[in-house]
Amino acid sequence: GESVGLHLPTLSVQEGDNSIINCAYSNSASDYFIWYKQESGKGPQFIIDIRSNMDKRQGQRVTVLLNKTVKHLSLQIAATQPGDSAVYFCAENPGNTPLVFGKGTRLSVIA
Amino acid sequence: EADIYQTPRYLVIGTGKKITLECSQTMGHDKMYWYQQDPGMELHLIHYSYGVNSTEKGDLSSESTVSRIRTEHFPLTLESARPSHTSQYLCASSRADTQYFGPGTRLTVL
Repeated sequence: GESVGLHLPTLSVQEGDNSIINCAYSNSASDYFIWYKQESGKGPQFIIDIRSNMDKRQGQRVTVLLNKTVKHLSLQIAATQPGDSAVYFCAENPGNTPLVFGKGTRLSVIA
Repeated sequence: EADIYQTPRYLVIGTGKKITLECSQTMGHDKMYWYQQDPGMELHLIHYSYGVNSTEKGDLSSESTVSRIRTEHFPLTLESARPSHTSQYLCASSRADTQYFGPGTRLTVL
């Protein structure tokens, strides 16, 4: 079936280092992808998105990379800060159903 | 920042009670969604709606119902709450594909 999965359930990084969170998706028809950040006790918050006609998109301290050949999505966070500690979800849009969310990766920033 | 609201934020009730979780958005989004999520875990789609008088079931819909009488309002009802319903319930809305989430309702059923 359609699914979006994350390679690592947890990731610990030193403050100031770069973080890379990975996501594998299974539906080759998906044409839109989103990364969400969820802090404890809050709803997921939109971070950045990318459409399938692009392979890279940059925001403020964040970059999303899309490799359609291997159906892989990644989120890079530059100069990781304690405030970046959260659970990160990727989501794909297969086109005819609501977004399909991955299982989430917990990012812990070590001060 | 999305304007989507959920009430109550926290609710503790006894088994067998009927409850309604409220969700409202002021962005005029046609699409709305309900998810169930245990802390730090994946989101499970319960119900969604693509417009007034239109509702669809998700993965975990069998024990709850929704209604969409107004564009801005999408309440979720549990007819008979059970301890297995203890979880966080997240509401979201979208104009197209990007969903914007409310703060959630944390439900505890004793």
